[in-house]
Amino acid sequence: GAVVSQHPSRVICKSGTSVKIECRSLDFQATTMFWYRQFPKQSLMLMATSNEGSKATYEQGVEKDKFLINHASLTLSTLTVTSAHPEDSSFYICSASSGVTGELFFGEGSRLTVL
Amino acid sequence: EDQVTQSPEALRLQEGESSSLNCSYTVSGLRGLFWYRQDPGKGPEFLFTLYSAGEEKEKERLKATLTKKESFLHITAPKPEDSATYLCAVSVGSQGNLIFGKGTKLSVKP
Repeated sequence: GAVVSQHPSRVICKSGTSVKIECRSLDFQATTMFWYRQFPKQSLMLMATSNEGSKATYEQGVEKDKFLINHASLTLSTLTVTSAHPEDSSFYICSASSGVTGELFFGEGSRLTVL
Repeated sequence: EDQVTQSPEALRLQEGESSSLNCSYTVSGLRGLFWYRQDPGKGPEFLFTLYSAGEEKEKERLKATLTKKESFLHITAPKPEDSATYLCAVSVGSQGNLIFGKGTKLSVKP
């Protein structure tokens, strides 16, 4: 199946700093990528839809100035958590569709811990 | 409101003990139903996509079925390596975003 790579897999930062997470589709072009957030023992919650070359669409309740999304190319989307706080600690997962079958493939996830 | 409900929340099986996981959904326009497997600390791993009622798909010990209101993931003679959380999701948006259920955590004991 299609491969989606996410980096870093784990990051620990101090409160107030910004953290960037990268999501790459390795063997296909993805015009649309999605960013999810998952709390312990909870399911994945969609944060935003990232479209190549245009602004991301954020779900209700997700602060767009807090979670900056950039989709500069057909294979790369980035999520930047700005001025991170402990409550931003979570598991962030990106996904991308190959567009051929409509299936969504997920990255390995990034565990963010804000101290 | 679009909703996905999975049951049970947790399931413990003995190796070789077959069972089924349920995913019921209420959506305004189903574009597809997806099953994923998620291991701790990992992203979801794609298993199946079902598009229409009556459709069935199989992969090794897993078989997914779909009706107009629910989907089942049947596990035949499970092995300990099948232990994971199984997520069900539905695609309803034009761009393909998914709405996930909370998952069923499966534990298979040897």
